Amino acid sequence: AQSVSQHNHHVILSEAASLELGCNYSYGGTVNLFWYVQYPGQHLQLLLKYFSGDPLVKGIKGFEAEFIKSKFSFNLRKPSVQWSDTAEYFCAVPHYGGSQGNLIFGKGTKLSVKP
Amino acid sequence: DAGVIQSPRHEVTEMGQEVTLRCKPISGHDYLFWYRQTMMRGLELLIYFNNNVPIDDSGMPEDRFSAKMPNASFSTLKIQPSEPRDSAVYFCASSLAALPETQYFGPGTRLLVL
Repeated sequence: AQSVSQHNHHVILSEAASLELGCNYSYGGTVNLFWYVQYPGQHLQLLLKYFSGDPLVKGIKGFEAEFIKSKFSFNLRKPSVQWSDTAEYFCAVPHYGGSQGNLIFGKGTKLSVKP
Repeated sequence: DAGVIQSPRHEVTEMGQEVTLRCKPISGHDYLFWYRQTMMRGLELLIYFNNNVPIDDSGMPEDRFSAKMPNASFSTLKIQPSEPRDSAVYFCASSLAALPETQYFGPGTRLLVL
């Protein structure tokens, strides 16, 4: 079965530091990949997604992610974080096989940005 | 558009009581999803519908959980009887089409079963 691994449970950074959150997936075929963000007390929102084409995907709020097929990775990056980026970040892949309708989410990485 | 609407936003109940969570998807979206979020297990899909028909309910934990979608603009998730381990945040999401279309999430219902 497919799985998504986010190895960093909690990341603490100071403002203006660079960010990279890891995401690895297990499926070996064609993949679509998503990053969602959940700000404190709010619902999940899509940050960015990869369908095909350019492996470097740019999302909202200055975030980007790079799909590296050989490493089964889709790491999220931001060159300079802000206090308002404090949130929980989830990587997700579709459930391939079976009903194929749902997303499988990683356990999430909590980001705390110190002002 | 108002986005996905869920009610109630918070629910506190006692063990054994029936709980009903409600969701109104974004108009025109053909897919509706119910997720549960806990600290231990993260985000898990419970069930999803396509054109009001349940497609995959393999994530529903047990018979105490049931979900319905009587029409395109309304769905319910019912827990009867509720237990303390059901305490979680329950999210509803909808999408225009099948994956990889974006799923839009509602604000969630925070359920506490005492």
